[in-house]
This record gives sequence, structure tokens and C-alpha cells, in this order.
Amino acid sequence: ETGVTQSPTHLIKTRGQQVTLRCSSQSGHNTVSWYQQALGQGPQFIFQYYREEENGRGNFPPRFSGLQFPNYSSELNVNALELDDSALYLCASSLPRQGANYGYTFGSGTRLTVV
Amino acid sequence: DAKTTQPNSMESNEEEPVHLPCNHSTISGTDYIHWYRQLPSQGPEYVIHGLTSNVNNRMASLAIAEDRKSSTLILHRATLRDAAVYYCILSKGGSEKLVFGKGTKLTVNP
Repeated sequence: ETGVTQSPTHLIKTRGQQVTLRCSSQSGHNTVSWYQQALGQGPQFIFQYYREEENGRGNFPPRFSGLQFPNYSSELNVNALELDDSALYLCASSLPRQGANYGYTFGSGTRLTVV
Repeated sequence: DAKTTQPNSMESNEEEPVHLPCNHSTISGTDYIHWYRQLPSQGPEYVIHGLTSNVNNRMASLAIAEDRKSSTLILHRATLRDAAVYYCILSKGGSEKLVFGKGTKLTVNP
């Protein structure tokens, strides 16, 4: 059974640019959640996708958007990057209606640095 | 979101048991108690969860107070690989988001 794979592992962007981060969920998992983790803090929920639809959103502005594809993989897009967007972005997958009961599987994250 | 309180840091010696406490005095009857840990340069890893009864798995044990206002994650024999940030999280289940605090940073001394 494969785990959650995220790409790229690191990238550097300039303020104002746009970025796309990618996530392949664990085999059989069709629910994907994205989290942002600033240095020294716990992860913060951005949004979740289930059956290609957004299924819950945290306190993040609309310039954070996402997609889920029929194969359950997902993308996180961030427009108009700001310095404060520098963080570790984590993807987590789960089975529907089981994540918070039976555990999410997290990827190792994408480290985004905005300069 | 129901909140949890954990010590910022704890230390342990290798091969000794570790008891990581978590207070959640505002827990509701439908909140599950979850523990995740995050090793350096990794994403969080599910450790264990429970509702009312104590739970055991291959990684750890979870002891839940009778009034459910506190719980303790028990690592029976700490190893250097157990050095991580441990998060105690309450969740109502389903596909509900996880609300992370700052967690407890566990240092394991050889």
C-alpha cells in the first residue's frame, strides 16, 4: 500500500507569483485535506476535497484554491503569493467519513519559501 | 473547536516509559481523542485514538480519564526514533478537520 506523495518537496517563489502543489493520496483513499504549517506551529486546516468537490474550508482567503481529480489526486493553488505564505504544506488522505475516527495519512509536505 | 492543553516539552531516557498528558476539560460526549506525532522533516503520523475506553496498539497506549477531561499517551519503552512533537486532538469524527495545537516536543536521551 503506497502512502501519500507530495511534489515538489521544496520550492522558492517570488512575492506576487502563483504556485501549484500536488498530492497523490494513499491507495483507496478518496478524501484529501490540505494543511499549512508555519515554523514552530501546528498544522492549520486549509480545505478538504471529497468526490472532486470542496467539503469544508478553514480560515484562508480565496486565493488559496484546490482541485481533486477522478483518480483522487489533488492540487493546491495559491495566487498572489505573500511572504507569510512561506510554510510547510501538508496533504492528508483518508477514507470518507472515517478520517477523524480512523486516522489520516499525511504526506511529508512541500516546503514553500516566498521571497 | 474544543481545545486541548499539553506541556510544551518533555524529556525521557531511552528504554524508559513515557507518559504524555493532555487536558481537554471542554470535551463533548461525541469528541474522539486522537494522538498524532510529527518527526523532524515529516508530516504528522497517526498514533492512536479513543472515545471512552483505554486503547492499545502496536505504537502506544491511550489512557482516558473516567470523566474524559484528560488523557495520557503512553509509550512503553521510548526509543530515539520516538523523538517528535506529539499532538493531542479532539474531533467529532467523520471527515472533520483536525485542529492542531503546538503539541509536546518529546526529547529522548540515549
